[in-house]
Amino acid sequence: QQPVQSPQAVILREGEDAVINCSSSKALYSVHWYRQKHGEAPIFLMILLKGGEQKGHDKISASFNEKKQQSSLYLTASQLSYSGTYFCGTVDTGGFKTIFGAGTRLFVKA
Amino acid sequence: EAGVAQSPRYKIIEKRQSVAFWCNPISGHATLYWYQQILGQGPKLLIQFQNNGVVDDSQLPKDRFSAERLKGVDSTLKIQPAKLEDSAVYLCASSFDRGYEQYFGPGTRLTVT
Repeated sequence: QQPVQSPQAVILREGEDAVINCSSSKALYSVHWYRQKHGEAPIFLMILLKGGEQKGHDKISASFNEKKQQSSLYLTASQLSYSGTYFCGTVDTGGFKTIFGAGTRLFVKA
Repeated sequence: EAGVAQSPRYKIIEKRQSVAFWCNPISGHATLYWYQQILGQGPKLLIQFQNNGVVDDSQLPKDRFSAERLKGVDSTLKIQPAKLEDSAVYLCASSFDRGYEQYFGPGTRLTVT
C-alpha cells in the first residue's frame, strides 16, 4: 500500500518554512526521506526508526509517529537549493520492503 | 567511495524488441533494488535482492521482465519483449542491508517507440 504524501505541491519564497506529510495504512519499521531534482536520481536525506524519534540535518528535520503511522518533514528558512521532489519511503515490519509515495513537488523562488 | 553505477544511461528501442540494463552497486552492500519510475511518479519497486537471492519480486511483470544478481554483486534487468508502457527511468539502488538508507544510481531512461 503506497503511503500518501501531502501536499502534492508547494511554492515557497526563500526563507519560508514548509511541512511535508507522509501517512501509511500499515505498521512501519522506519521511514526514509529522499529528494530528487529534475533529471537526477533521488538523494537520501534521513531515516527515522520506530520509537517516535525526531531527527535534524541543518535546517531540515523530520519526525515519526509510529502509532499514527505518520512522518513529517520540516524545511525551515528554505533555500533555492531545496527545490525538487520529496519522497517518503516507508519500510514495513514484515519483509523490510520500501514503498515510495507519489512525491511532493517543492519550488522555492527568490 | 564509488557510487552505484548503471549503464546505459539512455536507450531507445521499438516495441517488441529486447533491452538489458546493468547495475554495479556500492561495494559491500548486500541489498540491491530495481525501480521503475514513470514521469511524475515515485519509484516503484520491481525486484529486491538480498545478496544473490530474491527477497521481493511481487511487482515484476514476469512474463516480460527478468533480473538476476550474479555472485551477489552486479545485476542485470532485462525486458523482452518491450511495450510502449515500459517507457520510464529504471533506477538501481543499493543499501548496506534491508531497511537501511538506499543509494541510487543515475538511472537508465528507456524510450519505447
